[in-house]
Amino acid sequence: DSGVTQTPKHLITATGQRVTLRCSPRSGDLSVYWYQQSLDQGLQFLIQYYNGEERAKGNILERFSAQQFPDLHSELNLSSLELGDSALYFCASRSGTGNSPLHFGNGTRLTVT
Amino acid sequence: GDSVTQMEGPVTLSEEAFLTINCTYTATGYPSLFWYVQYPGEGLQLLLKATKADDKGSNKGFEATYRKETTSFHLEKGSVQVSDSAVYFCALSSGGGADGLTFGKGTHLIIQP
Repeated sequence: DSGVTQTPKHLITATGQRVTLRCSPRSGDLSVYWYQQSLDQGLQFLIQYYNGEERAKGNILERFSAQQFPDLHSELNLSSLELGDSALYFCASRSGTGNSPLHFGNGTRLTVT
Repeated sequence: GDSVTQMEGPVTLSEEAFLTINCTYTATGYPSLFWYVQYPGEGLQLLLKATKADDKGSNKGFEATYRKETTSFHLEKGSVQVSDSAVYFCALSSGGGADGLTFGKGTHLIIQP
């Protein structure tokens, strides 16, 4: 158990809809990272938050947004969903800097129909 | 920018065979290097890490040595088991906390009894 909790585990929705994915980091970890994993693109870094502030952006679409709340949990919002958004979305947290590893949740599997 | 290249699978071996999964990287500065493993239906788990040149990371019979001269971090195991069947990801972090980890595309390992 990594200590990172993601909900829901599975999500099925239709094109054009909006969904919210939730992540609770390990106790004490201030950094939260979101990744998208798809068969053709592999693991893609989306966005990072540190103690409530956006720290870095990766390949995140404008239809996607995220935030980190004062209690350090984070939400990833995906809107105007397309079939190609179907993927596994992982949250990870980290306690320190670049030498420390990321700890991943079990992911949310999003299926857009 | 940073990048990680690893052999793509699937790699199929018989139980008790010797395993090598190659990983090479391109990075500025002195990155930390990681191997993660993903079992079916689960998130990524840290397998081992190395933070400086010539460091050897090891865990559960797996080993990898940080080779700065060849920019490599190959994963090895002397005798694989069926339970080692999973997807293995090589990753690097250039430090500073931003941007998380840069991952390779993953190698699917299948161990046959």
